[in-house]
Amino acid sequence: AQKITQTQPGMFVQEKEAVTLDCTYDTSDPSYGLFWYKQPSSGEMIFLIYQGSYDQQNATEGRYSLNFQKARKSANLVISASQLGDSAMYFCAMREAGDAGNMLTFGGGTRLMVKP
Amino acid sequence: DAGVIQSPRHEVTEMGQEVTLRCKPISGHDYLFWYRQTMMRGLELLIYFNNNVPIDDSGMPEDRFSAKMPNASFSTLKIQPSEPRDSAVYFCASFRYNELHNEQFFGPGTRLTVL
Repeated sequence: AQKITQTQPGMFVQEKEAVTLDCTYDTSDPSYGLFWYKQPSSGEMIFLIYQGSYDQQNATEGRYSLNFQKARKSANLVISASQLGDSAMYFCAMREAGDAGNMLTFGGGTRLMVKP
Repeated sequence: DAGVIQSPRHEVTEMGQEVTLRCKPISGHDYLFWYRQTMMRGLELLIYFNNNVPIDDSGMPEDRFSAKMPNASFSTLKIQPSEPRDSAVYFCASFRYNELHNEQFFGPGTRLTVL
């Protein structure tokens, strides 16, 4: 089974509107971390936001927030007030504790396109 | 800090040739990861090191792939012999374990094309 699933291969959003990128995960480990990375067309991977499995509150970083629903095993990224520069691929990733060490497992990504 | 440094940024080679990709992690980071990104398979972890020791190489596709980390500031990923299906972007990432995020910092990647 896929550990990280991103069901939206591509999405459009109008500039200045908010957008939600979906991510669901599968793990039996009680301790894990969830990450979102942005990959613009230039190719670099940029860390955006992190959510720990024991965190009581949803993570926020500027215009990025994470809608963490632990029982549903979902960790959706919300981008508020979209900008043209937000057009990029977005990857959700998970790190499990225990034997998996500190490796990340990535989802297939969502391509976000912001329309002017 | 300069960030994770990878070289070369682009590599074009012919099938059968040896290819060596290089990575300099961020100073003080004790974990180093090699990833491969393709359209078909997405981002895959190939191997990772902790304190220069390979911990998990289960993602290395074949014996043609090998990775070393002779010291804390340098790692190589070697493909010998290379094949067209090895064409991909190869990323190196590093981080220093702490109690907080442990986000991995990625290098700019090496785009490999095997003809």
